[in-house]
Amino acid sequence: KQEVTQIPAALSVPEGENLVLNCSFTDSAIYNLQWFRQDPGKGLTSLLLIQSSQREQTSGRLNASLDKSSGRSTLYIAASQPGDSATYLCAVRQGGSYIPTFGRGTSLIVHP
Amino acid sequence: NAGVTQTPKFRVLKTGQSMTLLCAQDMNHEYMYWYRQDPGMGLRLIHYSVGEGTTAKGEVPDGYNVSRLKKQNFLLGLESAAPSQTSVYFCASRKGLAETQYFGPGTRLLVL
Repeated sequence: KQEVTQIPAALSVPEGENLVLNCSFTDSAIYNLQWFRQDPGKGLTSLLLIQSSQREQTSGRLNASLDKSSGRSTLYIAASQPGDSATYLCAVRQGGSYIPTFGRGTSLIVHP
Repeated sequence: NAGVTQTPKFRVLKTGQSMTLLCAQDMNHEYMYWYRQDPGMGLRLIHYSVGEGTTAKGEVPDGYNVSRLKKQNFLLGLESAAPSQTSVYFCASRKGLAETQYFGPGTRLLVL
């Protein structure tokens, strides 16, 4: 059974810092991996989707990488801003499965 | 596009009452999902659908029923609400398995 772990569970950084969020998965036979952002009291917003054949995806200040062999993905946030404060979740989908497996998320606070 | 919408946004029920949560998407997506999110438990899949007229059980299906009579709608029913069903419920959809998953804004349910 696929297990997805996100460490740390919480992170607090000063504004302007570049930071990396981690997502680890136990079964490397994945089809794709998706990063989401969730603001308090809101739904999940998709940030980036990486297919298993890809190594990374970029959107603005965000860059997500995927290393299937090591069972890891990282979400890099450049020049963090207070508006980046949110919970970030990753979800992994196995080949042949309709259901993604979600991590518990990393709660990020960027303070001015 | 309105994306994924959920009705109602908030509801208070008494134990034993029934209700239906409505999820609608206007993106012609095949796959639809119902999750619940509880503090410390992360996102848990209740039921899902791989197309109009189909439904399948997820991780925590007990006490819930679903229907997908129309492609754009996915209904989640609680026949006899229990306090343990107090949660935030999210609906999600995706066009294909290689595509981005989109989430609705959530329904907050309180069962007294």
